[in-house]
Amino acid sequence: GENVEQHPSTLSVQEGDSAVIKCTYSDSASNYFPWYKQELGKRPQLIIDIRSNVGEKKDQRIAVTLNKTAKHFSLHITETQPEDSAVYFCAGGGADGLTFGKGTHLIIQP
Amino acid sequence: GAVVSQHPSWVICKSGTSVKIECRSLDFQATTMFWYRQFPKQSLMLMATSNEGSKATYEQGVEKDKFLINHASLTLSTLTVTSAHPEDSSFYICSARSPGQGASNEQFFGPGTRLTVL
Repeated sequence: GENVEQHPSTLSVQEGDSAVIKCTYSDSASNYFPWYKQELGKRPQLIIDIRSNVGEKKDQRIAVTLNKTAKHFSLHITETQPEDSAVYFCAGGGADGLTFGKGTHLIIQP
Repeated sequence: GAVVSQHPSWVICKSGTSVKIECRSLDFQATTMFWYRQFPKQSLMLMATSNEGSKATYEQGVEKDKFLINHASLTLSTLTVTSAHPEDSSFYICSARSPGQGASNEQFFGPGTRLTVL
């Protein structure tokens, strides 16, 4: 099955700086890679996703890159704001379901 | 669109009792629903995949006789935790996927159910 590794587990950045979270996956058949933001006690919320036929996708301050050859994908958040503080999960998979990374606790320092 | 609800949002029960959690897709038909479990400060772990009208597929290490899943309609899947014990206390989250989303594999998550077993 799929195995998704996520780093770092905790990331602290100054407000206004950029944050980068990286994930690797093992199953070359995986074709869908979403990123979720989860605030304490709440459901995960999809913030951006990318499919295996695309190398990069951007939505305002958030971007995701995918390197299929190396089997890794990254989340980039620019101009971070206090409301970006949360736990972020990457996931990989396809029609059979998603395997989640262990999560990154992003802390935005004022 | 693509709203998924769960009921109850939280439940406290005594050890040995059974608890049923409902997952509903409110504005779309979900042929596939997924059940996840999340322990504090941990990631979401897929427990099982539920397909409408057929038996659920359980992940390795998940006891199918303990976690009963029924996906009787295109808008409802239920998870029953039988003979619950304190170690079953967790945040249970369902998600649903609709073929109407085209080629998307996006899953829409319910709000979760916090189960506490005393």
